[in-house]
Amino acid sequence: DTAVSQTPKYLVTQMGNDKSIKCEQNLGHDTMYWYKQDSKKFLKIMFSYNNKELIINETVPNRFSPKSPDKAHLNLHINSLELGDSAVYFCASSQGPRTRGFNEKLFFGSGTQLSVL
Amino acid sequence: AQSVAQPEDQVNVAEGNPLTVKCTYSVSGNPYLFWYVQYPNRGLQFLLKYITGDNLVKGSYGFEAEFNKSQTSFHLKKPSALVSDSALYFCAVRGASGGSYIPTFGRGTSLIVHP
Repeated sequence: DTAVSQTPKYLVTQMGNDKSIKCEQNLGHDTMYWYKQDSKKFLKIMFSYNNKELIINETVPNRFSPKSPDKAHLNLHINSLELGDSAVYFCASSQGPRTRGFNEKLFFGSGTQLSVL
Repeated sequence: AQSVAQPEDQVNVAEGNPLTVKCTYSVSGNPYLFWYVQYPNRGLQFLLKYITGDNLVKGSYGFEAEFNKSQTSFHLKKPSALVSDSALYFCAVRGASGGSYIPTFGRGTSLIVHP
């Protein structure tokens, strides 16, 4: 009974392609996130989405677009993939809305390893 | 802007010995501090957090962390390391104001416990 699930686990694709990673949480959480972990294991926030409010990290290229059909899902769509996009992408969620979420822990998915050839 | 520093890329310790993984932070206002652990090919798992109250926080798997406001540190500790503790450890901070509710993670410290 996985709390935060991501698909696919592995994604190998060619440069220039468009791909999506799906994320679902069954915890009833209000806030979801996408993080990127590079080859040196550095974990960097990409997006946070809470109650239809999207917080975008300014350093994320606009080729990356999150889509949230409902509060249990936050998918990540990537256009025109580049070699530098190769990384592990983690979805996460936390319970409360933004105004009450300061002290809440994150629940992470198991990650999607994206390899762009 | 909030930030976290984990000064050691790797910590080596013998099984049975005490371990410390260091973390310092920078944030506006009161910090909310967290430690997470990542096992190979897995997502991060929550270990413990400091919100307020006692400076020594106890968490999962026998880990604890000590909050030191004057040194802006939140070091992770365990009295007796196990080989199974070998993993990647991340410190994270969240601010209490200014829209800084999104947690910022450190670069991670690889803990290796030798038998």
